[in-house]
Amino acid sequence: DQQVKQNSPSLSVQEGRISILNCDYTNSMFDYFLWYKKYPAEGPTFLISISSIKDKNEDGRFTVFLNKSAKHLSLHIVPSQPGDSAVYFCAASVQGGSEKLVFGKGTKLTVNP
Amino acid sequence: GAVVSQHPSWVICKSGTSVKIECRSLDFQATTMFWYRQFPKQSLMLMATSNEGSKATYEQGVEKDKFLINHASLTLSTLTVTSAHPEDSSFYICSALGGTGNEQYFGPGTRLTVT
Repeated sequence: DQQVKQNSPSLSVQEGRISILNCDYTNSMFDYFLWYKKYPAEGPTFLISISSIKDKNEDGRFTVFLNKSAKHLSLHIVPSQPGDSAVYFCAASVQGGSEKLVFGKGTKLTVNP
Repeated sequence: GAVVSQHPSWVICKSGTSVKIECRSLDFQATTMFWYRQFPKQSLMLMATSNEGSKATYEQGVEKDKFLINHASLTLSTLTVTSAHPEDSSFYICSALGGTGNEQYFGPGTRLTVT
């Protein structure tokens, strides 16, 4: 049972445009959500997180939106840059990020120059 | 800050042998470390939670006698894959809880290939 789902295995956007990566979850106990960026043969790099008490968190070019009623979150990257090309993982946790993370399968983002 | 290292970065071993992977938090102390495994084009799956000075907590379906975890200090956790088989070939990633934001910081991963 996949508790965290990233239904788009890949996404391709033009440099300068917005990238929107989506994530859905099924476990209503999740109260903390994170996005990680990962290159092949490397560990994930933390990008941004959001607590369930918020519906938006922004950090530079990255914004995460949370819709609890829909059990949906999204990561917006504006403007997209070629260096953003990587696999992006959505992860969720209960009791904040200190508990185990449940990951989605990832979305491979390609930003074309 | 919040750097986590893993050693080795890749290892090839013969079936039946054991392999030890180290996970170190370099600039912070981590009472809790996590071990994940990732198969090609799959998500990261948590194998076990490692707490300093106590026994690791394993996820359902993970054999604790096969994947031995030791967290002897606040900066080091080890995962030993015992009697490795080709199906154990995978990318093993650790994370350490800590730093300034109580986030999980991931190591670069270890690619294990069992022949």
